[in-house]
Amino acid sequence: QVQLVQSGPELKRPGASVKVSCKTSGFNFTSYDINWLRQASGQGPEWMGWMSPKTGYEQKAQKFQGRVTMTSDTSTRTAYMEVHKLTSDDTAVYYCAIDDFFSGPAWGQGTLVSVSS
Amino acid sequence: DIQMTQSPVSLSASIGDRVTITCRASQTVVSYYLSWYQQKPGKAPKLLIYSATRLRGGIPSRFSGSGSGPEFTLTISSLQSEDFATYFCHQTFIYPWTFGPGTKVEIK
Repeated sequence: QVQLVQSGPELKRPGASVKVSCKTSGFNFTSYDINWLRQASGQGPEWMGWMSPKTGYEQKAQKFQGRVTMTSDTSTRTAYMEVHKLTSDDTAVYYCAIDDFFSGPAWGQGTLVSVSS
Repeated sequence: DIQMTQSPVSLSASIGDRVTITCRASQTVVSYYLSWYQQKPGKAPKLLIYSATRLRGGIPSRFSGSGSGPEFTLTISSLQSEDFATYFCHQTFIYPWTFGPGTKVEIK
């Protein structure tokens, strides 16, 4: 069974960085792109980017380039997404996700990141 | 980017009603890469339908999906009290993944 389990909620000050983890099981970790999305309160989900645990290649939406880093650790089957220079606009629930051709998308449970002074 | 639109934006319906929500993509989306989600306030999106027509395990059979790119439909055959929520479509065919703006289903 595909599972993506994310790290717990975070409270950060403006200007700080946050690193969210996504521990996976139930699928071949290096065969799937890990996607990251976020959803601010009252808004629809927003795709941030994806990375390949196999190659390390990553592609991000333009608004996140230069401020978001996506990495992975194949030994622990864990993906990471770090957002730098946080502002209040980054307050959102962050999700990791994969898309399986046979069983459809699978998302983590979400990580609330709150940015406040 | 593929733009996803939905209609209606919101609807009011009664228990037992048949509800249909339409999702249209700005360009062709292969059916395998179209999914539907339900979301309630403060909760994570819940996958209902994937590959346009496949019901996720554990989802009641009153939910069904149909269509092919660029137009897809989510149908609730007999609305239940627990179905009042926001529904949105999602394409994973081409990056960036994009989402419909959502359809809010409210109690009449």
